[in-house]
Amino acid sequence: AQSVTQLDSQVPVFEEAPVELRCNYSSSVSVYLFWYVQYPNQGLQLLLKYLSGSTLVKGINGFEAEFNKSQTSFHLRKPSVHISDTAEYFCAVTGGYQKVTFGTGTKLQVIP
Amino acid sequence: GAVVSQHPSWVICKSGTSVKIECRSLDFQATTMFWYRQFPKQSLMLMATSNEGSKATYEQGVEKDKFLINHASLTLSTLTVTSAHPEDSSFYICSASRPGAQETQYFGPGTRLLVL
Repeated sequence: AQSVTQLDSQVPVFEEAPVELRCNYSSSVSVYLFWYVQYPNQGLQLLLKYLSGSTLVKGINGFEAEFNKSQTSFHLRKPSVHISDTAEYFCAVTGGYQKVTFGTGTKLQVIP
Repeated sequence: GAVVSQHPSWVICKSGTSVKIECRSLDFQATTMFWYRQFPKQSLMLMATSNEGSKATYEQGVEKDKFLINHASLTLSTLTVTSAHPEDSSFYICSASRPGAQETQYFGPGTRLLVL
């Protein structure tokens, strides 16, 4: 069984400030990890993914995430946020059997 | 690459009617497509996994006869909500994965269904 925990349901942050969205997972097998972004009334867009190799993964829109196996975490970071980053962010995990488990989402609210 | 489309984006229907939602992979062939449902302020709930040319695999608690899934080609899967009721109102999202990279899913823009 696998599960994903996103500890923060909402994160307010001022424009141009750094942000970290937290994600912890549990799985009995090796995992692939993903971050998706969802803008209002839209589908999910892949931000980045960790499959193997370097634990620091860079994605689109200036986001990056670090896979930490010992802490079973995959936190998403951006050094300077923009108003356009206001959206909901979902962390997801799959054990390679295609079934993906999503976290409950974190709403990022960028304040001007 | 890896663009997935859905049609329609919005649909309003009367209770008791059936609604068909299409999911297409535009620039790749998708052997597997997935259908999700998202309730307001909640995460995505997997409804079923659709494999081209075979029957869909439904998640526990999802009514097969109510949510008919057809994956007739490598680029098209359809979800038909039969005899829709107001409680079926939701945001339906499909995704598709490429052969050889099946760990990554690419999502469509979603279809919002409102049943009156």
